[in-house]
Parts: sequence; C-alpha cells; structure tokens
Amino acid sequence: AQSVTQLDSQVPVFEEAPVELRCNYSSSVSVYLFWYVQYPNQGLQLLLKYLSGSTLVESINGFEAEFNKSQTSFHLRKPSVHISDTAEYFCAVSNFGNEKLTFGTGTRLTIIP
Amino acid sequence: NAGVTQTPKFQVLKTGQSMTLQCAQDMNHNSMYWYRQDPGMGLRLIYYSASEGTTDKGEVPNGYNVSRLNKREFSLRLESAAPSQTSVYFCASRGLQGSDTEAFFGQGTRLTVV
Repeated sequence: AQSVTQLDSQVPVFEEAPVELRCNYSSSVSVYLFWYVQYPNQGLQLLLKYLSGSTLVESINGFEAEFNKSQTSFHLRKPSVHISDTAEYFCAVSNFGNEKLTFGTGTRLTIIP
Repeated sequence: NAGVTQTPKFQVLKTGQSMTLQCAQDMNHNSMYWYRQDPGMGLRLIYYSASEGTTDKGEVPNGYNVSRLNKREFSLRLESAAPSQTSVYFCASRGLQGSDTEAFFGQGTRLTVV
C-alpha cells in the first residue's frame, strides 16, 4: 500500500528566507510524486511532479523538489519565499500504472513580513 | 475547456437527509476521484473510478455511494447525512498516459450537516 507523511503541519517563515517542506512516502514499487498547492478557499493546483528521469524538478514560480529514492523523500524547497506563497501544500504519491492517488495531511506555509 | 466542474458549491443538510454531489470533466480522463478535506486530515480518498463502469473504495467510503455514469461524470451520494460528513468535498480527474498523470481538481463543495 502507498502512503505519504508530511511531518510538519505548519511552517512559519520570514519573507525572503528559504524554506523546506518535508514529504516522505512509502511504496514497494516505483512511484509518481506530486506537490499541490491550495490557496485560501480554492481548489488544489499542481505545483510540480516527478515521473521519471532527472530527480530534481522545478516549478515556474521558483519551487523545486528532489526525488530521493534511498530516503523515500520528495522534499519541496524554495530559496526565497514571498507573501504570495502563503498557502497549504500537499504531497501526493501514486504507484506506476495505478489509479489510486494518496495525499499527505498537508503543510500550512505562513510567511511573516 | 472547463476542466473539472462540481455542483453545488455550498450545501446545508439536516441530519438524515440525502443528496448527490455532481462532478463532470471534459479532459477525456479515464480516472476520477472523490476526496474529502478536513482540518488537519489532509485529503482523504472516499471512492475512485478507474474507468466507466468501475468504482473502488478509498480510505473512508462508509456512508457514501458513487456512480460513474459515463466517462465524463462521477457522482457522490450521501444517503443519510450525518454531522460527521460535514466537510469540503473535492472531485478530481486524471489521465495515466505519458506525462498526463497529474490530477485536476474541481473547486470543491462545502457541505454542512446540522
């Protein structure tokens, strides 16, 4: 069975400081990994995804995540955050060729001016 | 191209009432999903459908039924609503071909059961 753990439920960060949001997954087979972002009172939007190939994936707004198979992790990072990054971030996993998509409990990122 | 459309956006039910949440997608995706979102619990999978005519239970299926009416539509029914079903419900669809593997979400239905 697949599962996702996001240990940090809330992360406060000063504006322009770096941030890392942690995600660990559990699966016995190869996986697809995703990060989604949810702004207040909105649905979820894809931030970035890992399917195969390069283990470092980037989004258009400066976030990046690195797939680490040995540590079963897919942590999300940004070198300098902005007020507009305030949102809840969800990590998700799906086994290759499997329709089931499992989400973590989310991390609420709060940017302090 | 609307993506994933959910109706209604808001609903208040009395305990014991029934209702159906509707979801439709126009991306020709095979897979569709229903999740509920509760504070501190993330998104929990209720049911999913890999293709027209098939449905499977997720983590929290009790108290819900689903119908995959056709490739586009996937509805969620609460037969006898309970206060514990107060939540925000999200429908999603997903393709599994090539790079088209991410899920696309509707805007959600905020349901309150009193």
